[in-house]
Amino acid sequence: AQSVSQHNHHVILSEAASLELGCNYSYGGTVNLFWYVQYPGQHLQLLLKYFSGDPLVKGIKGFEAEFIKSKFSFNLRKPSVQWSDTAEYFCAVNDDYKLSFGAGTTVTVRA
Amino acid sequence: EPEVTQTPSHQVTQMGQEVILRCVPISNHLYFYWYRQILGQKVEFLVSFYNNEISEKSEIFDDQFSVERPDGSNFTLKIRSTKLEDSAMYFCASSLRGPTYEQYFGPGTRLTVT
Repeated sequence: AQSVSQHNHHVILSEAASLELGCNYSYGGTVNLFWYVQYPGQHLQLLLKYFSGDPLVKGIKGFEAEFIKSKFSFNLRKPSVQWSDTAEYFCAVNDDYKLSFGAGTTVTVRA
Repeated sequence: EPEVTQTPSHQVTQMGQEVILRCVPISNHLYFYWYRQILGQKVEFLVSFYNNEISEKSEIFDDQFSVERPDGSNFTLKIRSTKLEDSAMYFCASSLRGPTYEQYFGPGTRLTVT
């Protein structure tokens, strides 16, 4: 079974700072990769996904992620965060018949 | 935009009681899932459901758990005799295509077993 690691448990940064959240999964082969976001009091929402093709994928709200197959990584980035990006971010990988999730990273953006 | 909905948002029950958590998946979706997240832990897969039967289930999904799609819209998770360790947030999800594609999640039901 896939194991998904998210490197940071809690990230605190100021508005306009750049954000990068790490995600690694445990084994290769064909993978579908996802980042989900959970804003306070809301449900998990899909930010972006990678199935195939261009390894740099763009999602909603200015987020992007880069798939690096050789590193088993799918890191999430945003060049300039806003206070409204305060949320919990989950990386997920398809694992046969289900999604396997990382532990999540809480991002706090200070105004 | 269509959304997955779940009721109730919070359920408090006593140990040993039965609970039913309800979900309305997105209407044209064919695959349905339950996940749970114990406080401070990862989101964990419980079960997937397709074509009116369980496709896959995890080792967490023991005989105390069951799922049902009683009509064309609802998808329920029943816990027959709740235990303290069942306290968690339970998420329903649905997808148009199979489980390797994007899944859309509901807001969750927080289950508290006392």
